[in-house]
Amino acid sequence: KNQVEQSPQSLIILEGKNCTLQCNYTVSPFSNLRWYKQDTGRGPVSLTIMTFSENTKSNGRYTATLDADTKQSSLHITASQLSDSASYICVVSGGSQGNLIFGKGTKLSVKP
Amino acid sequence: EAGVTQFPSHSVIEKGQTVTLRCDPISGHDNLYWYRRVMGKEIKFLLHFVKESKQDESGMPNNRFLAERTGGTYSTLKVQPAELEDSGVYFCASSQDLVSLRGQFFGPGTRLTVL
Repeated sequence: KNQVEQSPQSLIILEGKNCTLQCNYTVSPFSNLRWYKQDTGRGPVSLTIMTFSENTKSNGRYTATLDADTKQSSLHITASQLSDSASYICVVSGGSQGNLIFGKGTKLSVKP
Repeated sequence: EAGVTQFPSHSVIEKGQTVTLRCDPISGHDNLYWYRRVMGKEIKFLLHFVKESKQDESGMPNNRFLAERTGGTYSTLKVQPAELEDSGVYFCASSQDLVSLRGQFFGPGTRLTVL
């Protein structure tokens, strides 16, 4: 069964601290893995997209890693800001049609 | 560049009524997707249009859901008759091509509550 599991479910950190979110997937065939940020009441916004051959990609303070052998990905946020408070969703594209399989997300709260 | 827009933002209806959700994709995007997030669960795929054709509707839950994209521009998703379990947030997304490295662009969603 194609699944995307994320951990932790929720996380509270202090402003300025770093954090790492985890994603494990069992999706086959694998096309690419994406991390999305979803602010409350808004639609998901793409942060990074990685294909099979890529093992790291950065977007500002966000750095995603991918280990296609172990089917794991992480999203590292550096020097967190209050505006980073959101749900972070790991999404795997599992086929030629571009359909996406979503994790439940990690709810991140950054406190002052 | 205008993003994906959805209307309405919220809808509260009674069980048995009909509701129609609308999605306007980014201009020029041939691919349009509908997703749904039921409370406590992950976002799930409903269907995929390429222009006006249904490319994949394997995620549609049952025949109470009807999606259309006449003319290959905006799309509607009609639920008739609505049931309690249809409550959730319905997202629309669009992309220029299937493997766009810019990903799919999501609308803000329509929150549907069926009472």
